[in-house]
Amino acid sequence: NAGVTQTPKFQVLKTGQSMTLQCAQDMNHEYMSWYRQDPGMGLRLIHYSVGAGITDQGEVPNGYNVSRSTTEDFPLRLLSAAPSQTSVYFCASSRGWTNEKLFFGSGTQLSVL
Amino acid sequence: EDKVVQSPLSLVVHEGDTVTLNCSYEVTNFRSLLWYKQEKKAPTFLFMLTSSGIEKKSGRLSSILDKKELFSILNITATQTGDSAVYLCAVLSPPAGNKLTFGGGTRVLVKP
Repeated sequence: NAGVTQTPKFQVLKTGQSMTLQCAQDMNHEYMSWYRQDPGMGLRLIHYSVGAGITDQGEVPNGYNVSRSTTEDFPLRLLSAAPSQTSVYFCASSRGWTNEKLFFGSGTQLSVL
Repeated sequence: EDKVVQSPLSLVVHEGDTVTLNCSYEVTNFRSLLWYKQEKKAPTFLFMLTSSGIEKKSGRLSSILDKKELFSILNITATQTGDSAVYLCAVLSPPAGNKLTFGGGTRVLVKP
């Protein structure tokens, strides 16, 4: 049982480049979300989705896009990378929006030079 | 703005010591408080607390919530080196789509 799978694990970008962080879950979870983790700031919600075709903004959405075409996948797109987006990114899912127990992926360490 | 504050920021103990971690919160609409353990990468779920005064236990870890004073504590007794991790507290405040507000975490280092 894979759980939540994120790729890549590490990525280095130059300022202005674009890329997509992939997230897939095989638990048939309705709720999926993206967080970024910066030193001393805990995890901050970027975007979330409560089901296929439905997405919404979290606390820090600027510079990021998401889509949810299937229940399984929830990619995060950086449109034009900036050094301020250097962070560790986590994808997480749960059974429904009322199910608080989140399952996290193993994270993507992103550096923007 | 919802806020979750954890203390201390970090601590160093020796094996066998007892550790108490604190989490205080200010949110507009409280549903539950969760504790996660983050060792290297992905946070893993420890406890979910929704009612005041009811202790949750799992082995040497326990946690309790005080909804009147808006805080929770996580206790680890007889610490082991495997307890070294960052412990995260988060508060769920609907209706904004399972919105979890995380604290900054407490880094615990257990020395042999």
